[in-house]
Amino acid sequence: GAVVSQHPSWVICKSGTSVKIECRSLDFQATTMFWYRQFPKQSLMLMATSNEGSKATYEQGVEKDKFLINHASLTLSTLTVTSAHPEDSSFYICSARDYLAYNEQFFGPGTRLTVL
Amino acid sequence: GNSVTQMEGPVTLSEEAFLTINCTYTATGYPSLFWYVQYPGEGLQLLLKATKADDKGSNKGFEATYRKETTSFHLEKGSVQVSDSAVYFCALSLLQGAQKLVFGQGTRLTINP
Repeated sequence: GAVVSQHPSWVICKSGTSVKIECRSLDFQATTMFWYRQFPKQSLMLMATSNEGSKATYEQGVEKDKFLINHASLTLSTLTVTSAHPEDSSFYICSARDYLAYNEQFFGPGTRLTVL
Repeated sequence: GNSVTQMEGPVTLSEEAFLTINCTYTATGYPSLFWYVQYPGEGLQLLLKATKADDKGSNKGFEATYRKETTSFHLEKGSVQVSDSAVYFCALSLLQGAQKLVFGQGTRLTINP
C-alpha cells in the first residue's frame, strides 16, 4: 500500500513555543489529508480536513488559530501547534487520501507531542 | 449524528482461540464500514472493509459482515496468532462530502502463546 510519513516522530517543547509537524505522502499525490488527535487509550478524533491549495476545514471545537494547517503541495501537509500548552500534549496522526486507490486513507505513524 | 461503538478492551486470548470484537454504529446516511489495525509503534492500517449491506470484508483470516438490520460490523477470526496482538479500530465513512472517518474507541488485543 501507499506510504505516509510524519516528522518528527516525537517532540518535547516548552510551554508557549510553537511546534510544526509534517505529513508526507511518499509515493502518491494526496489532494486531501486529515489530521487526528489521539488521547491515551482513546479513539482518534478528527481535527481538520486539509485540502491542497485551499483552507483547511476544522471540526467543531477545534481552534483554527491554535492548530494551523498548511497543505501547500500534493504531497505535504503541515500542522503547527501555536503557543503550545501542556493540555496540547497528545499523539497527532495524519492520513492522506489516495483517489487512485478508491479514496482509501493511508495513515502516518503519528507524532507524540509533550509540552512541558 | 454519526458514531461507532466497539467492545471495551483489553481483550486477552490464547493462541488459536476464536476472536470476536463487537462493533455497532449509528449513521445519518448509508455508510461504508472499516476495520483498522494498529500494531505497536506503527500507523493504522486498513484491515478490511464493506461498502453495502450483507457485504463481507475479509483479510488475513479476519472477517466482518455489514449487518444493516442490527447496525453492526463485528470482527471475527477463527484462530488467532500472537502476531495478531494490536489495537483494532472500527470506523465508518459516509460517501458524501469529504468522506471523513469516524472511529470507535479501539480495542487492544493481546494473544498469549
